[in-house]
Amino acid sequence: GDSVTQMEGPVTLSEEAFLTINCTYTATGYPSLFWYVQYPGEGLQLLLKATKADDKGSNKGFEATYRKETTSFHLEKGSVQVSDSAVYFCALKGFNDYKLSFGAGTTVTVRA
Amino acid sequence: NAGVTQTPKFQVLKTGQSMTLQCAQDMNHEYMSWYRQDPGMGLRLIHYSVGAGITDQGEVPNGYNVSRSTTEDFPLRLLSAAPSQTSVYFCASSYSHSGALYEQYFGPGTRLTVT
Repeated sequence: GDSVTQMEGPVTLSEEAFLTINCTYTATGYPSLFWYVQYPGEGLQLLLKATKADDKGSNKGFEATYRKETTSFHLEKGSVQVSDSAVYFCALKGFNDYKLSFGAGTTVTVRA
Repeated sequence: NAGVTQTPKFQVLKTGQSMTLQCAQDMNHEYMSWYRQDPGMGLRLIHYSVGAGITDQGEVPNGYNVSRSTTEDFPLRLLSAAPSQTSVYFCASSYSHSGALYEQYFGPGTRLTVT
């Protein structure tokens, strides 16, 4: 079945550092890919998405490119802030499927 | 709009007790779902519904029941609570059209402890 594997954390960075969180997937057909963010004590919010190969999703300075050849959707941000401290989840929705499959989540802590 | 609301925020149960976690949305979304979040395991789908009167099982349905009598509400019932059901539970909803699922909106979660 469909599955998502993402980089294990926790990740601790200094402010203005570069952040990468790796995400790879296994799916048949052409899934849609998502990054969700969970701030402390809150539910999940959609951060960005991509629905076809070579699409780049971007939001709040974060970017991820849907790479079908490497089955990857790595999340990047060039200069993180303390407010980016959160848990980040990579997720996949199969083509013509209603369900989301989530990775295990990566906890990111940014220190001032 | 209140979005997706969940009650209660926290609950402690004894083994064998039953309870219902409430979820409501005011966005007229057809699709609703329940997930549980456990450390190191991400979110796992328990049950979902694509419209009133239609429900289906997700990845981890055992020990849980759902029903969908209205578009707005999607309660999750724990029939006989077990310590393995200690978790954080999230409800989510989404607009769907022609099989395409749009952004899922999540509630704030219910933290359940079973002793």
